[in-house]
Amino acid sequence: SQTIHQWPATLVQPVGSPLSLECTVEGTSNPNLYWYRQAAGRGLQLLFYSVGIGQISSEVPQNLSASRPQDRQFILSSKKLLLSDSGFYLCAWRVGSSGANVLTFGAGSRLTVL
Amino acid sequence: GEDVEQSLFLSVREGDSSVINCTYTDSSSTYLYWYKQEPGAGLQLLTYIFSNMDMKQDQRLTVLLNKKDKHLSLRIADTQTGDSAIYFCAERFMEYGNKLVFGAGTILRVKS
Repeated sequence: SQTIHQWPATLVQPVGSPLSLECTVEGTSNPNLYWYRQAAGRGLQLLFYSVGIGQISSEVPQNLSASRPQDRQFILSSKKLLLSDSGFYLCAWRVGSSGANVLTFGAGSRLTVL
Repeated sequence: GEDVEQSLFLSVREGDSSVINCTYTDSSSTYLYWYKQEPGAGLQLLTYIFSNMDMKQDQRLTVLLNKKDKHLSLRIADTQTGDSAIYFCAERFMEYGNKLVFGAGTILRVKS
């Protein structure tokens, strides 16, 4: 079966510290991978998406970066966190581009920057 | 532009029907989705509708699509306390990796 894992589930980091959130998918190959952020009281904002290894597209300019070193691994990073980076980060995957192509989400990583 | 709008809060009594409304912007969207988020959890797909349909029913859930007005609604029949959650409407864009654009979410509170 297909599963998606995110870790860590919860993270508290000081301003200016680095960040690494990891997402892995099992049971599928060549998925489209996405990072979304959910700020408090707001909807989901697409941050990055990837259609293959080493291929990253960014939706909005920001303090974050993403990498896809392996087919089923998607990493969200920052060199220096800002207070505004706090939020709930959700990784999602989809296979193919035809049909309904439902996005399947991970359980999320809650980041608090102090 | 990309903008999906939803009402922020809905409160209903257990056993009543809930109707959550959403408006979207892209008339070329092929699929529209409803996701549910329980506290502290990721998003779970509830249902979706293809743009050539006006209605889709799935057990207690009914989705209505009005393409002319770009209006989508989710009706939950016989609402239960377990339905309390945040409900997100999303539309799919063909470009940008077929990304989904989400609304801000509607908080559904079910009173027993």
